[in-house]
Amino acid sequence: KQEVTQIPAALSVPEGENLVLNCSFTDSAIYNLQWFRQDPGKGLTSLLLIQSSQREQTSGRLNASLDKSSGRSTLYIAASQPGDSATYLCAPHTGTASKLTFGTGTRLQVTL
Amino acid sequence: DTEVTQTPKHLVMGMTNKKSLKCEQHMGHRAMYWYKQKAKKPPELMFVYSYEKLSINESVPSRFSPECPNSSLLNLHLHALQPEDSALYLCASSRQGLVLTGNTIYFGEGSWLTVV
Repeated sequence: KQEVTQIPAALSVPEGENLVLNCSFTDSAIYNLQWFRQDPGKGLTSLLLIQSSQREQTSGRLNASLDKSSGRSTLYIAASQPGDSATYLCAPHTGTASKLTFGTGTRLQVTL
Repeated sequence: DTEVTQTPKHLVMGMTNKKSLKCEQHMGHRAMYWYKQKAKKPPELMFVYSYEKLSINESVPSRFSPECPNSSLLNLHLHALQPEDSALYLCASSRQGLVLTGNTIYFGEGSWLTVV
């Protein structure tokens, strides 16, 4: 069974800092991995999708990397802004079924 | 239009009530999903529909009954729920089943359910 852990669980940084969110998963036989953002009481927004054959994916100030063999992914956020405050979830897609397994999440607060 | 619309946004129901949650998308997606999310926990998959057929049921109790009337609509019928079923219920869709193409999955804003 896929287990997904995200470190840190919570993070508070001042505006402008670059930061790294970590995701580790136990079953490296994944098809792809997605990073999502969730604002309090809201649904999830997909940020980046990395296919298993890719090492990196970039969108604006976001950069996600994937090391499938070691079961790790990182989300790098450059020049953080207060609007980045949210919970970030990683979700590897494992197995033959259409199933994402969500990580425990990192709650980010960016202060002025 | 990359929107998944869920109604109602909030629902309070008694343990003997019958109610339904509704989800709609007009992106031409052929895979639709129900997830359940408890406070401060990650979403957990409940059901997957692929081309209007139920393809995954994650051993969900029968008091939750999904229905996919057509390719744009997904319902979750609720009956005889328990207080511990109170949660945020999220609907999602993707172009096809994720295993085939690794498509991005789009989530709705969710329906907050409280069982009293």
